[in-house]
Amino acid sequence: AQSVTQLDSHVSVSEGTPVLLRCNYSSSYSPSLFWYVQHPNKGLQLLLKYTSAATLVKGINGFEAEFKKSETSFHLTKPSAHMSDAAEYFCVVSRNTGGFKTIFGAGTRLFVKA
Amino acid sequence: DAMVIQNPRYQVTQFGKPVTLSCSQTLNHNVMYWYQQKSSQAPKLLFHYYDKDFNNEADTPDNFQSRRPNTSFCFLDIRSPGLGDAAMYLCATSRDGGENQPQHFGDGTRLSIL
Repeated sequence: AQSVTQLDSHVSVSEGTPVLLRCNYSSSYSPSLFWYVQHPNKGLQLLLKYTSAATLVKGINGFEAEFKKSETSFHLTKPSAHMSDAAEYFCVVSRNTGGFKTIFGAGTRLFVKA
Repeated sequence: DAMVIQNPRYQVTQFGKPVTLSCSQTLNHNVMYWYQQKSSQAPKLLFHYYDKDFNNEADTPDNFQSRRPNTSFCFLDIRSPGLGDAAMYLCATSRDGGENQPQHFGDGTRLSIL
């Protein structure tokens, strides 16, 4: 069975400091992994995706994530937080074997302090 | 710009009064999804269409139905809304549902029940 765990429900950083949002997954084979961002009263926007190519994936708005198979992790990072990064972030694993399934993590709320 | 559009953005209905939410897309994607998202929770898949093929999630209440009259439009019908159905409803699309494909989300319809 596949699952995804976001290790922090809330993360608070100061503007200009690094961001780390943690995601662990469980999968019986190499999964497709995504990070989405959701601003208040908006839909989800794709930040980046991993699909078994390069393990370090660069996304939009300066975000990147590293796929680590040995640690079953796909943590999202950004070197310097901006106020506009304050939002909800979802780690998602997707499979299409034995039936379509998209599994969302519970989400991490990022707060950015001035 | 190609996009997913949901109307209306806010919908208020009365307890037990049928309501329809609409979604349109200009991406020409084969797959359309409907999600329910309650406050501070991850989106929950209700059902999806692969072209005209309807796929219901096992735990989606019978109160929720959907129609897809053509590639561009998809509707969510709630036959007898209860207070527990108050939520954000998100429509999403993907090209052909492959596990390495991201989903493209609309900005949602926030449904309130009086």
